[in-house]
Amino acid sequence: GDSVTQMEGPVTLSEEAFLTINCTYTATGYPSLFWYVQYPGEGLQLLLKATKADDKGSNKGFEATYRKETTSFHLEKGSVQVSDSAVYFCALSSGNTPLVFGKGTRLSVIA
Amino acid sequence: EAQVTQNPRYLITVTGKKLTVTCSQNMNHEYMSWYRQDPGLGLRQIYYSMNVEVTDKGDVPEGYKVSRKEKRNFPLILESPSPNQTSLYFCASTSFPGQVRFGPGTRLTVT
Repeated sequence: GDSVTQMEGPVTLSEEAFLTINCTYTATGYPSLFWYVQYPGEGLQLLLKATKADDKGSNKGFEATYRKETTSFHLEKGSVQVSDSAVYFCALSSGNTPLVFGKGTRLSVIA
Repeated sequence: EAQVTQNPRYLITVTGKKLTVTCSQNMNHEYMSWYRQDPGLGLRQIYYSMNVEVTDKGDVPEGYKVSRKEKRNFPLILESPSPNQTSLYFCASTSFPGQVRFGPGTRLTVT
């Protein structure tokens, strides 16, 4: 079945550092790919998405590009802030199927 | 405002005492689901519903029941809770393709 593998955390960075969180997937067909973010004490929120190969999703300075050839959707941000501290989930959806999530990566940004 | 609401947000109960966590959405979505989030395991789907009176098991359905008598509500029922059901629970509502909105979460502790 479909699955998502993302890098294990926790990831600790200093403010203004470059962030990469790796995400790879296996799926039949052509899934849509997502990154969700969970801030402390809150539910999950959609951060960005891409629905077809080579699409780039972006939001709040974060970016991820749908790479079909490497089955990847890595999350990047050029300069993280303390307020970016959260748990990040990579996910996929194939057509009318439920979201499949990765296990989440906790990011801590220190001033 | 489009939203998914869950109640209660926090619950401490004892083994064997039946409980219900309510979930309601105001977006007229057909697809709703329940997830549990546990450290190191990420988000795992418990049950989902494609429409009124249509429910199906997710990855970890044991010990849970759901019902979908009307489109907006999708309660999660624990007939006889056990300590291994201590977790953070999220209800989600989906419009295809892949636009998922999560509730704020219910933290359940079973002693």
